[in-house]
Amino acid sequence: EVQLLESGGGLVQPGGSLRLSCAASGFTFSSYAMSWVRQAPGKGLEWVSAISGSGGSTYYADSVKGRFTISRDNSKNTLYLQMNSLRAEDTAVYYCAKVYPHCSGGSCWDYWGQGTLVTVSS
Amino acid sequence: VIWMTQSPSLLSASTGDRVTISCRMSQGISSYLAWYQQKPGKAPELLIYAASTLQSGVPSRFSGSGSGTDFTLTISCLQSEDFATYYCQQYYSFPWTFGQGTKVEIK
Repeated sequence: EVQLLESGGGLVQPGGSLRLSCAASGFTFSSYAMSWVRQAPGKGLEWVSAISGSGGSTYYADSVKGRFTISRDNSKNTLYLQMNSLRAEDTAVYYCAKVYPHCSGGSCWDYWGQGTLVTVSS
Repeated sequence: VIWMTQSPSLLSASTGDRVTISCRMSQGISSYLAWYQQKPGKAPELLIYAASTLQSGVPSRFSGSGSGTDFTLTISCLQSEDFATYYCQQYYSFPWTFGQGTKVEIK
């Protein structure tokens, strides 16, 4: 059974940093690209970042480019999101999601974690 | 950036109704479109990909259609468990983007 378990969320002051983790199990982690998708309270979904299975290619939304860094440790089956220079508008539930290979040419996601809440406030 | 207009934002319906949700793109995306269902406090679930292909395990009352710029999600006979928020998502080009969402509520 595929499982994705996020951790690392919490309350942080504007300008601060936080690192999210997503522990994966139930599939060959290194074979799949992964993404982070976020959802501000009461709002819609926003794709944040993606990483290839090997970790050699990374992609970011303009809203986080230069502030967030996605990475993975395939030996630990874990995905990360390092978030720096956090802003109030980064407040959201952050989901990690596994890319569904049948969405060829792009990314859609067939498994999602339960999400971790990041609150940026003074 | 590909902008997506999803409508309606709120849909009031009764069990047994046929409901239709629209998703319009700012430019053509062939069939690179997915639909998700999200219930309160839960992660989204993939319903449909490639515009019209039903994800394994999704009931056949859900269907998707369209290509290019105009897409539709149809629920043929609304069940109680279908009251939720639905999102379309394009994966034709970066950045991947979502529609604003359609909340299907009980009339």
